[in-house]
Amino acid sequence: DAKTTQPNSMESNEEEPVHLPCNHSTISGTDYIHWYRQLPSQGPEYVIHGLTSNVNNRMASLAIAEDRKSSTLILHRATLRDAAVYYCILRGSGSARQLTFGSGTQLTVLP
Amino acid sequence: DARVTQTPRHKVTEMGQEVTMRCQPILGHNTVFWYRQTMMQGLELLAYFRNRAPLDDSGMPKDRFSAEMPDATLATLKIQPSEPRDSAVYFCASGTFTGANVLTFGAGSRLTVL
Repeated sequence: DAKTTQPNSMESNEEEPVHLPCNHSTISGTDYIHWYRQLPSQGPEYVIHGLTSNVNNRMASLAIAEDRKSSTLILHRATLRDAAVYYCILRGSGSARQLTFGSGTQLTVLP
Repeated sequence: DARVTQTPRHKVTEMGQEVTMRCQPILGHNTVFWYRQTMMQGLELLAYFRNRAPLDDSGMPKDRFSAEMPDATLATLKIQPSEPRDSAVYFCASGTFTGANVLTFGAGSRLTVL
């Protein structure tokens, strides 16, 4: 599986935008970029995914570099409830399609 | 919202006992995954199923763990005999085998083996 690299931790102030980076230099042409987050004492939760183009949904935006070797998850206005571990994962199109989690980025939101 | 339901939510047992964790995937989802999470190892994939057939269980200790899907509405993960090192949170997730295949996770079963 292609690997991703994320910072171990980041801090943000409440109500400010947060940009969570992810490097995936070995991404293949058919790999989807997925983001999940895990709130304390909960299971992972889907946030957003994309293939080539930038994506927006009610939770976040995903900005994908033109060469697809990196991406950024954007939370437009961080709230205290957004404090979680954020995982950037590449998902292939082969028969497996499992999600392999790395260590993720622990986001702390300061009031 | 549709949910993946896991039972039990918490289980405390003694070493050597059998433990069975159950998962009800979302109706219509044809892939089911079992993950284990510990502080040291993070989230590890144990096994996954497509259309109730096991696709891969290479992440699972074969001598004591077994995973099955007796029907489309139930997946089970069994540990026999349990050991203290099996203490972890076990997550089930379900999805469809098409497109980007987004997964929905359950709330987890927290297992403590004394």
